Parts: sequence; structure tokens; C-alpha cells
Amino acid sequence: GQQVMQIPQYQHVQEGEDFTTYCNSSTTLSNIQWYKQRPGGHPVFLIQLVKSGEVKKQKRLTFQFGEAKKNSSLHITATQTTDVGTYFCALGYQKVTFGTGTKLQVIP
Amino acid sequence: NAGVTQTPKFRVLKTGQSMTLLCAQDMNHEYMYWYRQDPGMGLRLIHYSVGEGTTAKGEVPDGYNVSRLKKQNFLLGLESAAPSQTSVYFCASSWGPLTEQYFGPGTRLTVT
Repeated sequence: GQQVMQIPQYQHVQEGEDFTTYCNSSTTLSNIQWYKQRPGGHPVFLIQLVKSGEVKKQKRLTFQFGEAKKNSSLHITATQTTDVGTYFCALGYQKVTFGTGTKLQVIP
Repeated sequence: NAGVTQTPKFRVLKTGQSMTLLCAQDMNHEYMYWYRQDPGMGLRLIHYSVGEGTTAKGEVPDGYNVSRLKKQNFLLGLESAAPSQTSVYFCASSWGPLTEQYFGPGTRLTVT
């Protein structure tokens, strides 16, 4: 099946600092999705990218799909304590594969 | 509009016991999924369904069976529970491929 690596595994940032997580695939992707899971909660959909080089923004969150459609990134500008959680990328058409996630801790 | 619901929320089983986890969605979604989540492992797909009456194997199907007799329900069965099946189980549904998945609140299963 598809292999997806997500880095870093953990990230601690001071509130107000930026944060980036990366998702890398061994194969060319048709699409990529991003989810956020708060501690003790369930994953919640954030966004989907389908086009090569696509960039989408949601307030302080910027999502990017690589030109070769093999990698993606999620960047958060000026983190807040509400950003705490684990961020997952997910890929696949029917048989969906999730990345291992990046756990973000924000220190007030 | 409840979205995706899962029962039970918690369960403790002894090795060798069987149980069924129920997932229900009220959004008329075609696709449904069962995942397990273990610390440091992310979410791993167990089985999925692309419509009523269909099921397919995911990444880690061994030890589990599923059924989708009604469009709104997706059942996950453990015939003979093992300690390695201790995990948090999430159900999800979506309109189709390449669409967002809606997750249930999860079931925490412990097998002793």
C-alpha cells in the first residue's frame, strides 16, 4: 500500500511562534487531506488539496500541495493554545491511509 | 442530526471473548470506515465499505469482520478478542471517495 511519512512527530512551540508539519509520500498522489485531532477527541477534517502546487489558506493555517504531488505541508502562523492537538495528513481514493501525525504542544 | 455515533463508548473484554461495535450515520453517506488508533501509530484502516452490502479490507483487517446490511450502519466484529486489539476504534463516513470524512467519538476497547 501507499507509504506516508509525516514529520516531525512532536513539536513544542511558544505561543506566537510558527509551526509547520510535512507529509511525504513515496508515490504521486491524487489528493491529500488534512485533519486535526484535539486531545481526547476525534479527527476533524480541515481541508483537501487536489491540484499540483495548490495553496489554500484558512485564517492562520496555510496548506500546500507539492508541484510533483508527492508531498504537502501545513503551516500555522502565530500559534495559539487553541491549536494544540495532533495534525494528520490522509491520502488515498477509497482505501485511505493516514500519516502518523504531528503532535503540537503550545506553551503559553 | 447526530452525525456519526458509535456504541459502546468503552468496553473491557477478556481474551477470547467476542463483541460487536456499532457505527451509525444519519447523513446518507455511501462510504463508511473503521479505524483503530494506537499511540504513535496514527489511524490505521481496518475495513471499509463503499455502499450498502459491500465491504473491503483495509490495512489491518486480521481478527476483525464487518457487515453493512443497512446503508446507515457499519458493524465491526471481534470474534475472539486478543490483547493486541486493545485500542481506540473510530468509525467514519463520507459521501464518496476524495470527500471529507466525518468521524464518530470513538470506542475505547481494552482486552485483558
